[in-house]
Amino acid sequence: QKEVEQDPGPLSVPEGAIVSLNCTYSNSAFQYFMWYRQYSRKGPELLMYTYSSGNKEDGRFTAQVDKSSKYISLFIRDSQPSDSATYLCAMSDGSYIPTFGRGTSLIVHP
Amino acid sequence: DGGITQSPKYLFRKEGQNVTLSCEQNLNHDAMYWYRQDPGQGLRLIYYSQIVNDFQKGDIAEGYSVSREKKESFPLTVTSAQKNPTAFYLCASLRDRGTEAFFGQGTRLTVV
Repeated sequence: QKEVEQDPGPLSVPEGAIVSLNCTYSNSAFQYFMWYRQYSRKGPELLMYTYSSGNKEDGRFTAQVDKSSKYISLFIRDSQPSDSATYLCAMSDGSYIPTFGRGTSLIVHP
Repeated sequence: DGGITQSPKYLFRKEGQNVTLSCEQNLNHDAMYWYRQDPGQGLRLIYYSQIVNDFQKGDIAEGYSVSREKKESFPLTVTSAQKNPTAFYLCASLRDRGTEAFFGQGTRLTVV
């Protein structure tokens, strides 16, 4: 079992839908959680960075961490075609090596 | 603007040749990383460096080499010993342990 599990998709939704992207993990030492967006042939860009449990909101994006269930989520409200990309979760136990999920491919169709 | 610059964006090389990928950062970050990304496989760590003149192997270091002579620079050499070098290579940096990673725009290496 990998330390971080992420469904590769693709996840296809209509424009305007609420999107839920998720990762599960097994290492209870993880306490820093990140979400990245990666467009085709580009480097990943940081969307959200959270520490420990709880929610964090930034515009249309909400990151949620449930440490008791070892489960993190990224919600995208009012999804747009420009949100079509691969979304990677990442986690750290405070070391120098973050652990990445494989990424979920999201397609938002008009 | 601070960031990570990878060059070139696309690179073509003949089989059996060594090739060096450039990575420069002006974020004043101590730690730098090289990842390889293949379709469906996510990010795989090749090498990382926490400080100048020191670096460690990641999960797939065979056939690669690095140097860290300056804080700003972390070049990756793909040697002829790397059996399947065609891939998308990403450089990243961290300010400190546990902090968020920042990535360059990647280099697509194609070996023919």
